[in-house]
Amino acid sequence: NAGVTQTPKFQVLKTGQSMTLQCAQDMNHNSMYWYRQDPGMGLRLIYYSASEGTTDKGEVPNGYNVSRLNKREFSLRLESAAPSQTSVYFCASGSTGGRSPLHFGNGTRLTVT
Amino acid sequence: GESVGLHLPTLSVQEGDNSIINCAYSNSASDYFIWYKQESGKGPQFIIDIRSNMDKRQGQRVTVLLNKTVKHLSLQIAATQPGDSAVYFCAENSGGSNYKLTFGKGTLLTVNP
Repeated sequence: NAGVTQTPKFQVLKTGQSMTLQCAQDMNHNSMYWYRQDPGMGLRLIYYSASEGTTDKGEVPNGYNVSRLNKREFSLRLESAAPSQTSVYFCASGSTGGRSPLHFGNGTRLTVT
Repeated sequence: GESVGLHLPTLSVQEGDNSIINCAYSNSASDYFIWYKQESGKGPQFIIDIRSNMDKRQGQRVTVLLNKTVKHLSLQIAATQPGDSAVYFCAENSGGSNYKLTFGKGTLLTVNP
């Protein structure tokens, strides 16, 4: 099993450009999550999807949109990238919501210039 | 430990010693806690979890202790090895929504051979 797979691994954008970060899991998990990780800030939840067909805002949703394409895939879109969105983005999945371990991908390192 | 600015709390130990990493959590209603390990360039990796109806849980070379009176969580690693060098995060489910985990800022563990 690959677990949680994120693409791309690295990306550089200019301010105002758009992009979509892709995430897929092969563990048949119901819930999926997008976090960002910044130095000194820990992991902060951007959006999550408790189950296929639902999405909800997390702690820092502004500037992002998400799509739960099917049970396996959960994408994160930046419509107009800003330097403040320079970060490492992690996708995670879990079987029974916030009371079971989340499994993380290896991240997308995004730089916005 | 407490995070100060952009600098993570650090713990440096000798190979073979026991390590204790501490975490203070904020919400007395939290009922589920997890420890993660994150190596450089990788996503967080699940180590061990504990529910609030327990005080202690043991895994392979690791023990988590939960003190609900003072809202404190600790991770003990026995016979620390160089491969244990990483950043360690605690996370809590803060109640309310079942799907949100809140992460601490992390502690950097360095194991000296």
